[in-house]
Amino acid sequence: DAGVIQSPRHEVTEMGQEVTLRCKLISGHNSLFWYRQTMMRGLELLIYFNNNVPIDDSGMPEDRFSAKMPNASFSTLKIQPSEPRDSAVYFCASSLTSGGANTGELFFGEGSRLTVL
Amino acid sequence: GENVEQHPSTLSVQEGDSAVIKCTYSDSASNYFPWYKQELGKRPQLIIDIRSNVGEKKDQRIAVTLNKTAKHFSLHITETQPEDSAVYFCAASISPLVFGKGTRLSVIA
Repeated sequence: DAGVIQSPRHEVTEMGQEVTLRCKLISGHNSLFWYRQTMMRGLELLIYFNNNVPIDDSGMPEDRFSAKMPNASFSTLKIQPSEPRDSAVYFCASSLTSGGANTGELFFGEGSRLTVL
Repeated sequence: GENVEQHPSTLSVQEGDSAVIKCTYSDSASNYFPWYKQELGKRPQLIIDIRSNVGEKKDQRIAVTLNKTAKHFSLHITETQPEDSAVYFCAASISPLVFGKGTRLSVIA
């Protein structure tokens, strides 16, 4: 398996533009997590899905952020409109969970580095 | 929800010395405590984990200890090498994983 695959690896955009980040889970995994990493705030959980269902989106900073999981292996994180303070590295991670408890290894993608000018 | 505090934020050690990173957590229901290593420009990767029914776990030069009563756990790296230089994150979970802010470890040759 190629691991968790994220695209794009780098995105530079202007304030106000829509940004879509993509993630493909490891085959067989049933939980997906979107994290945002910045120097100031570290790794913040934005949202996570279990079996395609959003379980907790309390970390999503604003209504400008939305995430979907249209099928068991793919997810998107969208920012519309983007702002300079959204600049960060966005990581997608997947794991295999049982009974809703995340007690297995979390596998991270390479991350998408977003710069909003 | 869970809150994880990690100390120190930066740590410099001489090659061959030991490094210790400490974390505390708030939710007594958390039962899984992994440690991740992130090299510059790379993704975080699991290096060791411990579950709540175990007090200590070792893997070569790396060990993790857990004190459930005090709600703290620590990472110990012995005989540090330059390639150990990275940012280390602790995490605690009942679900999902909540990460500490990270410790930037520099091993000076």
